[in-house]
Amino acid sequence: AQKVTQAQTEISVVEKEDVTLDCVYETRDTTYYLFWYKQPPSGELVFLIRRNSFDEQNEISGRYSWNFQKSTSSFNFTITASQVVDSAVYFCALSEAGNNDMRFGAGTRLTVKP
Amino acid sequence: GAVVSQHPSWVICKSGTSVKIECRSLDFQATTMFWYRQFPKQSLMLMATSNEGSKATYEQGVEKDKFLINHASLTLSTLTVTSAHPEDSSFYICSARAAPSGRWLDEQFFGPGTRLTVL
Repeated sequence: AQKVTQAQTEISVVEKEDVTLDCVYETRDTTYYLFWYKQPPSGELVFLIRRNSFDEQNEISGRYSWNFQKSTSSFNFTITASQVVDSAVYFCALSEAGNNDMRFGAGTRLTVKP
Repeated sequence: GAVVSQHPSWVICKSGTSVKIECRSLDFQATTMFWYRQFPKQSLMLMATSNEGSKATYEQGVEKDKFLINHASLTLSTLTVTSAHPEDSSFYICSARAAPSGRWLDEQFFGPGTRLTVL
C-alpha cells in the first residue's frame, strides 16, 4: 500500500525567507503520481502540481519549486521569498496508477509572519 | 482545471438526523468519485471510492451502512450520513476522476468541501 510521510508538522518563517517542505513516499508501483496541494483556512484544496513517476525533472513555477528524487523517494517543495499569503496547510499526496485513489500525507502547517 | 461542486457547503443538523451531501462534476464526466473526511487539524482520509453504476468500495473502518454513497450518473455522487452523531462532525471532501478519454485525461479534481456539524 502506498504511504506518504510529511515529517514537519508545523513550520514558521518570517516573510521573505525560503522554506522547504519535505515529502517522502512509499510505493511498490513503478507508475505513480505525486501531488502537492495547498489548503488555506477556507478548507478548499488548491492544486499546485502533479508529477508522474517517469518524470524526474525538477519544476519551477514562480516562487514555487519542486525537487523529485526517486533515489530517496522524496518530492520536496520549496517556496522562495515566502509571503504571508503562503500561510496554509500543505499536503503531499500519492496516487498509484493501479489504485487511482489518492493518499495524503499528514500535512505541514506553514505560518509566514510579516 | 475542471470544476467539481459540493452542496451544501456547510450544514448543521441535530443528532439522529440524516444529511445528504452532493458532489457534481460540472464540465466533465467522472467515472470515479472519491469521498474523503478531514477532522480538524488532520489530514484527508479516504472513506470510499465509487464508480458510476456500481456499489462503492469502503475503506477499512468506514461503516457502509452509516455512510451511504450513491453514484447514479457520471456527474453526480451523493454521500448520506445516516443517523448523524456529534462524532460525525467533520469536513467532507469529494473528488472526481475524469474519464481517461476526455479532455482532462484521467486527472482528479477536488470539490470545495462540506462542513458538517452535528449538534
